[in-house]
Amino acid sequence: SQQGEEDPQALSIQEGENATMNCSYKTSINNLQWYRQNSGRGLVHLILIRSNEREKHSGRLRVTLDTSKKSSSLLITASRAADTASYFCATDANDYKLSFGAGTTVTVRA
Amino acid sequence: GAGVSQSPSNKVTEKGKDVELRCDPISGHTALYWYRQRLGQGLEFLIYFQGNSAPDKSGLPSDRFSAERTGESVSTLTIQRTQQEDSAVYLCASSPGARGPQYFGPGTRLTVT
Repeated sequence: SQQGEEDPQALSIQEGENATMNCSYKTSINNLQWYRQNSGRGLVHLILIRSNEREKHSGRLRVTLDTSKKSSSLLITASRAADTASYFCATDANDYKLSFGAGTTVTVRA
Repeated sequence: GAGVSQSPSNKVTEKGKDVELRCDPISGHTALYWYRQRLGQGLEFLIYFQGNSAPDKSGLPSDRFSAERTGESVSTLTIQRTQQEDSAVYLCASSPGARGPQYFGPGTRLTVT
């Protein structure tokens, strides 16, 4: 079953704008990870945030985690055409399995 | 170094036939995972291998699905008597240990006609 749910399902933005997507989950977690998928094939790991962390940065990516609300957000700043992809959150609920949401499809218009 | 590879990249098969999908993990990664992704959906966990421990098969949808792994190397996912609902992308991932980021292969797109 899918624990994470991303919102919105789809997002269309202009190049240079910021993109924000959210993830909600149901059970307590060890960590939460964000992945990117291009063209429906292999996923690329973007960032991992542990349950005792509140914010993490990696390049143009900023992830926040609010364990009291069981939610996370991914912000992509200064978007580029190459950021067009589907983005998935995945939760590690204290075992080795990752539970993935259905994803947010981001389209960056030139 | 080389990433996770999967073969074939695409497979079209007739309903009722058996298929075998292959995954070569990153060298040295002890953990290996198989997932299924139906069109427009997230990933469904299928099976997990960790070193020489017994695999976790709890995600396999039916007894038509099975998987093997030779030590800490190649894994094969076998689907017997394929059905149309088996059509999906099958993704393999590996990781250095049981936690942390997973590294995905490009997937095998299976189409059952």
